[in-house]
Amino acid sequence: GDSVTQMEGPVTLSEEAFLTINCTYTATGYPSLFWYVQYPGEGLQLLLKATKADDKGSNKGFEATYRKETTSFHLEKGSVQVSDSAVYFCALHSGYSTLTFGKGTMLLVSP
Amino acid sequence: GAVVSQHPSWVICKSGTSVKIECRSLDFQATTMFWYRQFPKQSLMLMATSNEGSKATYEQGVEKDKFLINHASLTLSTLTVTSAHPEDSSFYICSARGLAGVMGGELFFGEGSRLTVL
Repeated sequence: GDSVTQMEGPVTLSEEAFLTINCTYTATGYPSLFWYVQYPGEGLQLLLKATKADDKGSNKGFEATYRKETTSFHLEKGSVQVSDSAVYFCALHSGYSTLTFGKGTMLLVSP
Repeated sequence: GAVVSQHPSWVICKSGTSVKIECRSLDFQATTMFWYRQFPKQSLMLMATSNEGSKATYEQGVEKDKFLINHASLTLSTLTVTSAHPEDSSFYICSARGLAGVMGGELFFGEGSRLTVL
């Protein structure tokens, strides 16, 4: 079955540091890939997505590239802010009705 | 983007009582809504899929008599936790998918409802 594996957190960074959160997946066919963000006490928000190989999703300074050869969709940001502190979920959609989520990675950014 | 609203955001109840959580799509019609449960520091687990006007499809291990789901209209689905117990305390999140071709078929998530059973 489909699965998503994310690096375990928490990831602790200082403001303006470079961020990478690794995500790899297993799926049949050609899934769409997503990153969702959950701020403290809130629900999920779509951060970015990519629907085919080599696509790059980007939003709010975050980027992720769909790498079919390595089955990866790593999330990156060049300079994190305190307001980026949240839990980030990698997810895939491969034709079933809903999404398969990773376990989430907590990001803590200190001033 | 489209808005999905859940109510209530927080609820505290006594053991043995029932709690109803609403999920509304505010500016689009959702033929399919999904209910998830999130335990602390863990990912979302799909509980059930509900289609407007038909019975919900529950994931393996989810008690359908305990977690009653109703999707009576294209903009409203409800989750009722019956005879709640402390182990039902969790964060419940819904998501909604628009009609085919609407909103690109994207899933939109509610804000979540935190249930605490005393």
